Amino acid sequence: QQPVQSPQAVILREGEDAVINCSSSKALYSVHWYRQKHGEAPVFLMILLKGGEQKGHEKISASFNEKKQQSSLYLTASQLSYSGTYFCGTEAAGNKLTFGGGTRVLVKP
Amino acid sequence: SQTIHQWPATLVQPVGSPLSLECTVEGTSNPNLYWYRQAAGRGLQLLFYSVGIGQISSEVPQNLSASRPQDRQFILSSKKLLLSDSGFYLCAWSFTTDLAEAFFGQGTRLTVV
Repeated sequence: QQPVQSPQAVILREGEDAVINCSSSKALYSVHWYRQKHGEAPVFLMILLKGGEQKGHEKISASFNEKKQQSSLYLTASQLSYSGTYFCGTEAAGNKLTFGGGTRVLVKP
Repeated sequence: SQTIHQWPATLVQPVGSPLSLECTVEGTSNPNLYWYRQAAGRGLQLLFYSVGIGQISSEVPQNLSASRPQDRQFILSSKKLLLSDSGFYLCAWSFTTDLAEAFFGQGTRLTVV
């Protein structure tokens, strides 16, 4: 079953912050985050383990709330290069990786 | 280092024609292999997943099939394409360890006309 992402799209000005949420009805073992530029392959950002872990990649960070079965990706002081579609992926037994519907982010000057 | 090759990059095929997309991984052994499809402006839909030669899990019943004839080769096929098969097809691989990130190929943009 696919995780659910929200919002579906967000537009922000350079320097603004945004939050992308990813939730699942199934117990999550780990959550992956990827970014895809238009017409390109998705690129790995980070993996979070259950247990309330937080991680960061440049000024992009994420948290994992095991109790809520939810992960959030935080875009802080956004840059133009942050534009793209962000996907969360959930890992089931045997490393099967299933992705959400994606969140399109557009950062304007 | 590991690399993933996927071809062709673009493909235009008529309805009812067969399809064969190939993906190969170099620099690693016994990877997990995936085929995803992405419709225009949509998410990544997992189509097939393989943990070893000849071991294929189908996630979405449809007119597509996958095969893994060699350890690092993953092939997506169809006997007769439908208009709805159009999309961006991505092959990916990961190590079989826990918390392994996925590495994606550059994708094949398939247009069925």
